[in-house]
Amino acid sequence: AQKVTQAQTEISVVEKEDVTLDCVYETRDTTYYLFWYKQPPSGELVFLIRRNSFDEQNEISGRYSWNFQKSTSSFNFTITASQVVDSAVYFCALSQGGSEKLVFGKGTKLTVNP
Amino acid sequence: DVKVTQSSRYLVKRTGEKVFLECVQDMDHENMFWYRQDPGLGLRLIYFSYDVKMKEKGDIPEGYSVSREKKERFSLILESASTNQTSMYLCASIGVLAVNNEQFFGPGTRLTVL
Repeated sequence: AQKVTQAQTEISVVEKEDVTLDCVYETRDTTYYLFWYKQPPSGELVFLIRRNSFDEQNEISGRYSWNFQKSTSSFNFTITASQVVDSAVYFCALSQGGSEKLVFGKGTKLTVNP
Repeated sequence: DVKVTQSSRYLVKRTGEKVFLECVQDMDHENMFWYRQDPGLGLRLIYFSYDVKMKEKGDIPEGYSVSREKKERFSLILESASTNQTSMYLCASIGVLAVNNEQFFGPGTRLTVL
């Protein structure tokens, strides 16, 4: 069975701090995809990144970076120099190869205070 | 831009009523999904459809049914609404040839059953 665990329910930081959101997954598949989505207060989920199981390269996009480690089944997300606009609920998700069905973690609510 | 729209942002219904939640996407996507989102539980898949008139149960289909008569429209039906179906409902779609396997989400419908 597939499972995604986001152990941090809520995180609160002060603006300009760096923050890492943890994601641990379980799957028996050798081909799978990992995702991060952002849900701002408006409610609509916004796609941030997808990683496939054969690509362990870390990714950086502006202030966002992702660290994928198959050895620990983790796909962590770091925001550098956080801003108030980063306040949102962040979801990590997993899909098995060949399927569009997503299994989501329970989400981490990030609050960035000015 | 892909657009997924949901018929209502907020809906209040009474126990026992039949409720229709409508979702429309404008990108000719084959696959459409209904999730419900509850605090502390993340997003859970109710039903999905990979083609017109085709549907499959997700993880929590009990108390729900769906209809996909046209490719662009996917309806979620609560045959007899109950208070435990009070939740945020999110619709998503994805094409077979999607780049990044990104699911596009609608803004959500917050349903309250009294």
